Amino acid sequence: AQKITQTQPGMFVQEKEAVTLDCTYDTSDQSYGLFWYKQPSSGEMIFLIYQGSYDEQNATEGRYSLNFQKARKSANLVISASQLGDSAMYFCAMREESGGYQKVTFGTGTKLQVIP
Amino acid sequence: KAGVTQTPRYLIKTRGQQVTLSCSPISGHRSVSWYQQTPGQGLQFLFEYFSETQRNKGNFPGRFSGRQFSNSRSEMNVSTLELGDSALYLCASSLGGFNEQFFGPGTRLTVL
Repeated sequence: AQKITQTQPGMFVQEKEAVTLDCTYDTSDQSYGLFWYKQPSSGEMIFLIYQGSYDEQNATEGRYSLNFQKARKSANLVISASQLGDSAMYFCAMREESGGYQKVTFGTGTKLQVIP
Repeated sequence: KAGVTQTPRYLIKTRGQQVTLSCSPISGHRSVSWYQQTPGQGLQFLFEYFSETQRNKGNFPGRFSGRQFSNSRSEMNVSTLELGDSALYLCASSLGGFNEQFFGPGTRLTVL
């Protein structure tokens, strides 16, 4: 089974609209962390937001918020007021522990295109 | 504050050779992680170093190794290169662990 599933290979959103990028995860750990990264066409990875499994409040960072539904094992990224510069690949990732080591697993990504 | 730097940015090698990639973290960051990104396998975690010790690792063969120096700079070595090692290798640094990592621009390795 996939550890991180991003079911939307590509999405379009109108400028200034909000968009939700889906992410579901699979882990048996009680303590884990969930991340979202942005990768523009230039290639650099940019950290957006982090949610710990014990955090009761949804994480927010400016226009980014993480809709964390623990029981459903989902960690969707919500981008409000989309801008043209938001066009990029978006990766969901999970940190968990396995065999005494922490490791990070990434989803396959969602390509977001913002339309003027 | 300077960002994460990786050298070289591009590299071409042939099968069987070995390669060493370098990563200089943000000043003050003690954790350095390495990732491989390919079109087929996506982003995969290689290993993380903290205070000169490999603290965490992914599921890569022993041909992939790394080290970290006392100034937190890190190197990654791949021996006996295979065609499938062609990838973008990303390095990321943080104050500690995987929270809020800052990534470098990557080294694009092509194996012929």
